[in-house]
Amino acid sequence: GQQVMQIPQYQHVQEGEDFTTYCNSSTTLSNIQWYKQRPGGHPVFLIQLVKSGEVKKQKRLTFQFGEAKKNSSLHITATQTTDVGTYFCAGREGGSEKLVFGKGTKLTVNP
Amino acid sequence: NAGVMQNPRHLVRRRGQEARLRCSPMKGHSHVYWYRQLPEEGLKFMVYLQKENIIDESGMPKERFSAEFPKEGPSILRIQQVVRGDSAAYFCASSDSGYGYGYTFGSGTRLTVV
Repeated sequence: GQQVMQIPQYQHVQEGEDFTTYCNSSTTLSNIQWYKQRPGGHPVFLIQLVKSGEVKKQKRLTFQFGEAKKNSSLHITATQTTDVGTYFCAGREGGSEKLVFGKGTKLTVNP
Repeated sequence: NAGVMQNPRHLVRRRGQEARLRCSPMKGHSHVYWYRQLPEEGLKFMVYLQKENIIDESGMPKERFSAEFPKEGPSILRIQQVVRGDSAAYFCASSDSGYGYGYTFGSGTRLTVV
């Protein structure tokens, strides 16, 4: 079945440093979504990417979807303590309703 | 807009008891999804429902677990004869269209089996 892998599992950064998490799927995806979950909280939808090679930005966050639509990345510039949490990617195969989540990257930011 | 409402937030059950988890989707959303999350783990898909229909239950264990989304009322995830391994956070999400939209998650139910 479809698998979505994310690396790294954990990332510790100093405030102000950049952060990147990578997501790879075993199959071609129709779209990929990113979510953020704060400690003790629930996942919150950040963005969806649909087109091959698509790049979207939200303030300090940059999301990319690979040309082959099998990988994606989230890059945060100049991290802040409010960025702390676990970032999940989630992908769908074509024609499937099921969203398959990666295991997430847990980000901690030292002030 | 009240968002996705899940209750209870915390549930403690003894081994062998039944657990009932409730989820009311956002107003206007007709697609409901249940996910399970173990500590330090990702979200594992369990089941996808629309009103009165189970669309995809490929992530549901074959025994003891069932889900419904009746015409009236919340979606229910039911776990019979709970075991310690059922302890997890169970999240419900809803969307107004299954394909191509982000999910809105509820706050989850933390189930502890003692």
